[in-house]
Amino acid sequence: DQQVKQNSPSLSVQEGRISILNCDYTNSMFDYFLWYKKYPAEGPTFLISISSIKDKNEDGRFTVFLNKSAKHLSLHIVPSQPGDSAVYFCAATYNNNDMRFGAGTRLTVKP
Amino acid sequence: GAVVSQHPSWVICKSGTSVKIECRSLDFQATTMFWYRQFPKQSLMLMATSNEGSKATYEQGVEKDKFLINHASLTLSTLTVTSAHPEDSSFYICSALGVGVTDTQYFGPGTRLTVL
Repeated sequence: DQQVKQNSPSLSVQEGRISILNCDYTNSMFDYFLWYKKYPAEGPTFLISISSIKDKNEDGRFTVFLNKSAKHLSLHIVPSQPGDSAVYFCAATYNNNDMRFGAGTRLTVKP
Repeated sequence: GAVVSQHPSWVICKSGTSVKIECRSLDFQATTMFWYRQFPKQSLMLMATSNEGSKATYEQGVEKDKFLINHASLTLSTLTVTSAHPEDSSFYICSALGVGVTDTQYFGPGTRLTVL
């Protein structure tokens, strides 16, 4: 039962442009969402999060948008940099309970 | 797609006992597995990296004698919480890297540990 889905396995963007990574979820009970970034052969590192009471959270070049009615969240990176090339996972949790992960999207930022 | 399972999905134990959590890659071989601990509304904390056939690499601040990791085969890694205490209560997640693939990681469903 895949409650968190990242339907795009890969995304390629030109340096300086905007990267938009998408994530959909099915469980309306989720109340907290997180994005992780992962480089090869390393574990994922926390990037940014958003509570279900908000619809936007911004941190530097990274902005996460949450659309609860659509059960959809997205991560925007602008401007994209080659160092942003990595695999990005979205995750969701509810009531401080168990976290569910998407399958990841590989972002490639071309110079 | 690739599947990683964890067993048990939840466990309740008494303080002072040891608990073993299994992480299995069901349809692929995993040379490397990661063990994480989730804190409420916080990011995952990487506890250790487990490589098949060798000793696990623990992150700073994680007691290796308390959290024993064994990666005996390409499809199984175990985390044993020894002499568990209530503060060890948490959600433990494993993930696995496929053989020959360095950046495709699959997460298990997690194990909820409650220590009374």
